[in-house]
Amino acid sequence: EDQVTQSPEALRLQEGESSSLNCSYTVSGLRGLFWYRQDPGKGPEFLFTLYSAGEEKEKERLKATLTKKESFLHITAPKPEDSATYLCAVPNNAGNMLTFGGGTRLMVKP
Amino acid sequence: GAVVSQHPSWVICKSGTSVKIECRSLDFQATTMFWYRQFPKQSLMLMATSNEGSKATYEQGVEKDKFLINHASLTLSTLTVTSAHPEDSSFYICSARRAGGPKDTQYFGPGTRLTVL
Repeated sequence: EDQVTQSPEALRLQEGESSSLNCSYTVSGLRGLFWYRQDPGKGPEFLFTLYSAGEEKEKERLKATLTKKESFLHITAPKPEDSATYLCAVPNNAGNMLTFGGGTRLMVKP
Repeated sequence: GAVVSQHPSWVICKSGTSVKIECRSLDFQATTMFWYRQFPKQSLMLMATSNEGSKATYEQGVEKDKFLINHASLTLSTLTVTSAHPEDSSFYICSARRAGGPKDTQYFGPGTRLTVL
């Protein structure tokens, strides 16, 4: 059974204080790993897809990396508007279902 | 591209009534659509998967007679909560996978908040 674990559950940062969010996964065969951002009361917003170990993707202050066991979402010099819950997910073998981690709730204070 | 809309964004209904939620892919054709529910401070739980023109596949523990899913076209799926009760109150989110899009990537709608009184 696929498992996805995110840590920490919650993270408080000061504006400009860089940090990383972790997503550990156990799957029988990795088809990809997805990162989403979810604001309160809204659906998840797609950020990145990573398909193989060593791959990196960047978008503004966010950078996602992937190893064979985990993925990191690095946030450089975060701003208050980066505050949200960040979710990672992996598809099953058939690619027709996503298993989500519990999410990391990020709060960036000015 | 890859915009998914849901309607309504919120709904309040009386116990025993039925509620229909629409999910539309606005700028792409969706080979597969998914329905999730999310409780406060919890992650998304997949309810069912639907492919256009075929019956939905429900996850274990989800009552197919209570949560009716219709995927009538490549851009529209509906979820009907029949005889809703207060325990059905939740945040319902749909997602869609784009035909020819990045492998396995799902794009999510904004969600529908259902409150059953």
